[in-house]
Amino acid sequence: AQSVTQLDSQVPVFEEAPVELRCNYSSSVSVYLFWYVQYPNQGLQLLLKYLSGSTLVESINGFEAEFNKSQTSFHLRKPSVHISDTAEYFCAVLYALNFGKGTSLLVTP
Amino acid sequence: DSGVTQTPKHLITATGQRVTLRCSPRSGDLSVYWYQQSLDQGLQFLIQYYNGEERAKGNILERFSAQQFPDLHSELNLSSLELGDSALYFCASSLSGNYGYTFGSGTRLTVV
Repeated sequence: AQSVTQLDSQVPVFEEAPVELRCNYSSSVSVYLFWYVQYPNQGLQLLLKYLSGSTLVESINGFEAEFNKSQTSFHLRKPSVHISDTAEYFCAVLYALNFGKGTSLLVTP
Repeated sequence: DSGVTQTPKHLITATGQRVTLRCSPRSGDLSVYWYQQSLDQGLQFLIQYYNGEERAKGNILERFSAQQFPDLHSELNLSSLELGDSALYFCASSLSGNYGYTFGSGTRLTVV
């Protein structure tokens, strides 16, 4: 069975500070991993994905995630966050139709 | 615009009533997924259809049902509504799960 665990339900951070949102997965087969973002009053949008190849994947808005097989993790990072990054972030593993419980990122001035 | 269309955007109805939520998937996508999002339960998978056939079932109540039509649009039927059914209902579609899902903007259901 495949599943993901998001370790933090809420992450408050100041603007321009770095942030890490943690995600651990469990899977007995090859994994494809995703991060989705949900801005207030909107649906989920695909942020980035790992399918194969380089273990470091990046999004267009400065987020990156690293697939770490030994630690079964796929943490999401950004070196400097903006107010506009305030949103709910969901981790997901392929074929795991259930997403993680989400991490609420709150960026304040 | 994600390409996945959900109607209506908002729905207010009374307890005991029945409603139908509609989803048109992104062009070319064969799979449709339904999710319920509430503050206390988070994002819950309800059901998946692939090219007209039920593919997977999650935490979907017996009062709820869904179907996918030949033109690939899908409907989620909710009956005997209760206050606790108030939530955001999302539809997502995909061609292949390898590339992730594309979500609609959701239908906000309020049961009063």
